[in-house]
Amino acid sequence: DGGITQSPKYLFRKEGQNVTLSCEQNLNHDAMYWYRQDPGQGLRLIYYSQIVNDFQKGDIAEGYSVSREKKESFPLTVTSAQKNPTAFYLCASQKGDNSPLHFGNGTRLTVT
Amino acid sequence: AQSVTQPDIHITVSEGASLELRCNYSYGATPYLFWYVQSPGQGLQLLLKYFSGDTLVQGIKGFEAEFKRSQSSFNLRKPSVHWSDAAEYFCAGLNTGNQFYFGTGTSLTVIP
Repeated sequence: DGGITQSPKYLFRKEGQNVTLSCEQNLNHDAMYWYRQDPGQGLRLIYYSQIVNDFQKGDIAEGYSVSREKKESFPLTVTSAQKNPTAFYLCASQKGDNSPLHFGNGTRLTVT
Repeated sequence: AQSVTQPDIHITVSEGASLELRCNYSYGATPYLFWYVQSPGQGLQLLLKYFSGDTLVQGIKGFEAEFKRSQSSFNLRKPSVHWSDAAEYFCAGLNTGNQFYFGTGTSLTVIP
């Protein structure tokens, strides 16, 4: 079955360390997205990519970086510059403009 | 700016009772609208979508939603709730620039 795989499900890091969250899709979708979810705040867009080797900042890109070297993969790096990195991170993909988003099962990052 | 508002942070219903979750949108043109469901620690699953045409749309798991332009609403309904429907529900919109915007969610508790 096609879908989006996020790994790991839980991630623990010490403050000051960079950490990379994996997102892989086999849906052959061109566009991929990263969202951050905090209680009571809904989903906030971090970065998105509509095509390989191209990506754009979302509403809360500071302290994050991404790459899109392959269509299937869109890893997110949470850098030490992100002031409050503990959150639930969701990756999504989209078949084309005006299509629904398909979501992975998320990665819960805890930084202490 | 485009937005969707979910006025109810939390709703409790009895199993077997009917359900209506509210969503109001703010957008000049007719937006594309979606309802997603999220179980704890999971990603978002698409329940249904409205693009145009018939204002009553059917979704998965027995859910339906009605688009009412006069009220700027897109409320989600289910005639008889099951305990497994307990989850977080998100309304989302998509504008002509292919930008998604999410509500802050409604948490549903189902009591036996």
